[in-house]
Amino acid sequence: GAVVSQHPSRVICKSGTSVKIECRSLDFQATTMFWYRQFPKQSLMLMATSNEGSKATYEQGVEKDKFLINHASLTLSTLTVTSAHPEDSSFYICSARVGAENSPLHFGNGTRLTVT
Amino acid sequence: TQLLEQSPQFLSIQEGENLTVYCNSSSVFSSLQWYRQEPGEGPVLLVTVVTGGEVKKLKRLTFQFGDARKDSSLHITAAQPGDTGLYLCAGVDGGFKTIFGAGTRLFVKA
Repeated sequence: GAVVSQHPSRVICKSGTSVKIECRSLDFQATTMFWYRQFPKQSLMLMATSNEGSKATYEQGVEKDKFLINHASLTLSTLTVTSAHPEDSSFYICSARVGAENSPLHFGNGTRLTVT
Repeated sequence: TQLLEQSPQFLSIQEGENLTVYCNSSSVFSSLQWYRQEPGEGPVLLVTVVTGGEVKKLKRLTFQFGDARKDSSLHITAAQPGDTGLYLCAGVDGGFKTIFGAGTRLFVKA
């Protein structure tokens, strides 16, 4: 159980375009999802907390107008990278919890974004 | 901001050797988790430790949570090439966000 599905797994886009990444909880409802970013050979950095039916909470230094998050239902959160630039190239991973607020995260398989 | 310091950051060993990865913080965590990540995939949970002094075993992996709940260790006995990967410790802070250590990249040579 507790499967998180992320799509697409890979995307290549041109500089200036926008890219949408979807994160779905397949067998549970997730009122909160978390978006992380991971640079090569580095750890995961929390970008924002996605809250169903309300605005996302962004971490310090993360531009909310650049990384648009929408959590319209209990099973879907989307991250849109707007006006992408090469420095936005990274591995983006979503996650969600099942159960208590200090319980572990279940991760999607990530999206490798390459901006040319 | 609570921080987790993980060491070593990189480890290359021969098959059959033992190793220990450390995760330390100056802050108390309500729980600590260890994840393993393969290239191009999301992290997968190995274990959660909650109680100070707790020890959990998962086959050849032994996880320990410090008495003060500020640190944890992962010990692998008789490492195998299949253990190769990125090992991440993570803690849930007071705001219920999960923060990660820098990770330990393990390479086990056959």
